[in-house]
Amino acid sequence: KAGVTQTPRYLIKTRGQQVTLSCSPISGHRSVSWYQQTPGQGLQFLFEYFSETQRNKGNFPGRFSGRQFSNSRSEMNVSTLELGDSALYLCASRLGGGETQYFGPGTRLLVL
Amino acid sequence: LAKTTQPISMDSYEGQEVNITCSHNNIATNDYITWYQQFPSQGPRFIIQGYKTKVTNEVASLFIPADRKSSTLSLPRVSLSDTAVYYCLVASMNRDDKIIFGKGTRLHILP
Repeated sequence: KAGVTQTPRYLIKTRGQQVTLSCSPISGHRSVSWYQQTPGQGLQFLFEYFSETQRNKGNFPGRFSGRQFSNSRSEMNVSTLELGDSALYLCASRLGGGETQYFGPGTRLLVL
Repeated sequence: LAKTTQPISMDSYEGQEVNITCSHNNIATNDYITWYQQFPSQGPRFIIQGYKTKVTNEVASLFIPADRKSSTLSLPRVSLSDTAVYYCLVASMNRDDKIIFGKGTRLHILP
């Protein structure tokens, strides 16, 4: 089976812009979670989608949003980018609830 | 969600066995223990998972005592390429809880 894929792998944006990141889960997996990783804060949970519905949410401002499509692919959007949004954004998929998560390679976002 | 505590960092030498212990005092009956490995600028990679006693796979062993309040990841004969951050997670088998990562243990293998 193909693993979790994320696009793009690298992205450079400027403050105030918005960005959309994409994640394709492992085939058959219905849950997709998003994490932000920075050197100072480590891996922080953003949100999880299951069957097109947001199931869990972390403590991030409303500028961070996401959605999931009927084929389980997910996108996350960050509006009005700030310098502090520079990070590695990771997506993980799992079958449903309680199972092991499998991570993608991440999208490296740099905000200038 | 059960909180986990791990050492911030560890050093070891090539060829040695490395044991990383994780404390999870308030683990619940339905919780299982999972370990991930992460290299810089990559996503975490699943290593091993267990519920009780001992689990072994091709890369590691996981030891869980009877009270399940801690667990130990054992890496046999480490090499330089095992230098990474190792995360211990505790999560329920039956709930849809979000999976939260702690700070992990930064393992540095020396030649």
